[in-house]
Formats: sequence, C-alpha cells, structure tokens
Amino acid sequence: EAGVAQSPRYKIIEKRQSVAFWCNPISGHATLYWYQQILGQGPKLLIQFQNNGVVDDSQLPKDRFSAERLKGVDSTLKIQPAKLEDSAVYLCASSIQQGAHNEQFFGPGTRLTVL
Amino acid sequence: AQTVTQSQPEMSVQEAETVTLSCTYDTSENNYYLFWYKQPPSRQMILVIRQEAYKQQNATENRFSVNFQKAAKSFSLKISDSQLGDTAMYFCAFSGTWAAGNKLTFGGGTRVLVKP
Repeated sequence: EAGVAQSPRYKIIEKRQSVAFWCNPISGHATLYWYQQILGQGPKLLIQFQNNGVVDDSQLPKDRFSAERLKGVDSTLKIQPAKLEDSAVYLCASSIQQGAHNEQFFGPGTRLTVL
Repeated sequence: AQTVTQSQPEMSVQEAETVTLSCTYDTSENNYYLFWYKQPPSRQMILVIRQEAYKQQNATENRFSVNFQKAAKSFSLKISDSQLGDTAMYFCAFSGTWAAGNKLTFGGGTRVLVKP
C-alpha cells in the first residue's frame, strides 16, 4: 500500500514570495491533516479536512495561509506572502476516517526555508 | 485546551538497555487517546503505541510499553532492549473525542540516542 506522498521535499524562497505544497493521501482515506513542525518542536495542526470539507482550521493563519481539497483526495497548502517565521517542515497526514481511534499516517514532509 | 509536556529534551541509552521517556498532559476530558510517535532522522513519523484512556491495562507493542497513570495525567514510554534503530525523536500526543475532530496535540519531543 502506497503511503502519504508530499512534494516538493525541500523549498527555499525569499520572504514575501509565495509557495505551495502538495499532498496525496493514502487511497480511501477520508480525513487529511496539515501540520507545521518548527525545528525543535512538536507538530502543530494547521487544518483538518473530512473529504472536501474543513473540520478544523482554528490554528491556520488565514491572512497568509490557505488550503484546499477540492475533490476530496489531493490537497494543496499555500503560503502568500511568506515570512521568516514560516520556516518549518510541513507535514501531511491522513486517516481512514475521523475519530481518535483511527491511526494517522504521515508523509515525509516538505522542508521550507524562508530567507 | 489540551497541553502535552515532555520534560526530557534528550536521552541516551546503551544498546540492549532500557530507557523510559516521560510525558504529562492536561485535559478536562474523561475519554481520550494517548500516543507515542517516533520520528527517525530524515524519515517520516510513525506510530509506536496507542492507549485508550478508559482502558486500565497498559498498552504493549513488542519492546515498547507504556505506564498510563490517568489520575496523575502521566503517560511514560519504556523502550526495552534498545536497538540502534530506535535512535529518533519521540513525541507524546493527545487526541480528544470524536467531536473535537481527533486533532493530535503533540509534546515538544525527546531525542533518544542509542549508543553501541
């Protein structure tokens, strides 16, 4: 079974530029999560989708971050414009359904450096 | 809001020995799940072990076991017979009820180094 795929794996941009990350969850997984992991910290949830609807985006900085999952499969996370403090690893995860008993499977992450 | 605290930034252990990682959490919920995740260097995060709060029996997965103390809100991980492949960051995480969307709240992590 293929795991969660993310691209690109690495991205370096200048501050005030825009960037987009892509995630393809495990086939059949209805729930998709985007986490931000700043160096030396644990991941923090940015947004959670159930199919193509948003379940939780309370910690998403909506003035600069946006995310979509239009067809309930792939998802894109965008930052526009980027700030220095956005440097982090962006992790995508998926689970078969909502519910804490359902394991979340993580992708390899995209490491973003903002200069 | 839930919080998860890991007080040990880094631990080292000799191969074949045992190491215990600490985790405390704060919540007002009565039913929830606790997890330990492993993040090896430059590799993706994987689930090590999971504990349901309403189950009194401590979870065990091969060389990994937990000590769950619900009243004390403590959830430690014991790695027995440590192997070089256990070298990684370990994160303790909390997830509440379904109504909360099962968001994972992570601790700050403990770096474990297994020495040959």
